[in-house]
Amino acid sequence: TQLLEQSPQFLSIQEGENLTVYCNSSSVFSSLQWYRQEPGEGPVLLVTVVTGGEVKKLKRLTFQFGDARKDSSLHITAAQPGDTGLYLCAGTSNTGKLIFGQGTTLQVKP
Amino acid sequence: ETGVTQTPRHLVMGMTNKKSLKCEQHLGHNAMYWYKQSAKKPLELMFVYNFKEQTENNSVPSRFSPECPNSSHLFLHLHTLQPEDSALYLCASSQDQGAYGYTFGSGTRLTVV
Repeated sequence: TQLLEQSPQFLSIQEGENLTVYCNSSSVFSSLQWYRQEPGEGPVLLVTVVTGGEVKKLKRLTFQFGDARKDSSLHITAAQPGDTGLYLCAGTSNTGKLIFGQGTTLQVKP
Repeated sequence: ETGVTQTPRHLVMGMTNKKSLKCEQHLGHNAMYWYKQSAKKPLELMFVYNFKEQTENNSVPSRFSPECPNSSHLFLHLHTLQPEDSALYLCASSQDQGAYGYTFGSGTRLTVV
């Protein structure tokens, strides 16, 4: 069974700080996606990474896919209260299924 | 507007009730999914439909019954649920198997009393 483990599970920081969220597995994924979910809403896709070592930037968010395609990270620079939410990573397994991590709850205090 | 619309947004039902959740997508996607989201647990895949044919039932109890009349609509029929079935039920759609991303609805917050 392919699993994705996210860390940390909960993060509370002050506005302006930087942070990194990790998504790790012992299995290889053909692609990996990051979602952000706000309370009472469904997850919204932020980015998809496909190639090992790939780095994508979305404004203050930087996403990286590990060289071996087993792990990924999300780095946020100068966090803002609007970044508050649940961040989910999800990997496409070798059977085509999308497997989700348990999520990282981020709270950014003004 | 996410392109995937779920109704109702909130539902409270007794254990002997029968209710249905509805999902509609206007994105032209060919695959639709039901997920269950409980506190502190990863999203759990329940059902997958591809071109309105069920391609996966992830060992879901028979008290949950999906229906997909066409590629744009998906229902989840509920009957004799248990309190532990209380959760956020999310519908999603994708093109093909969704390797480039799923589009989720806002979910139905279900409470079984």
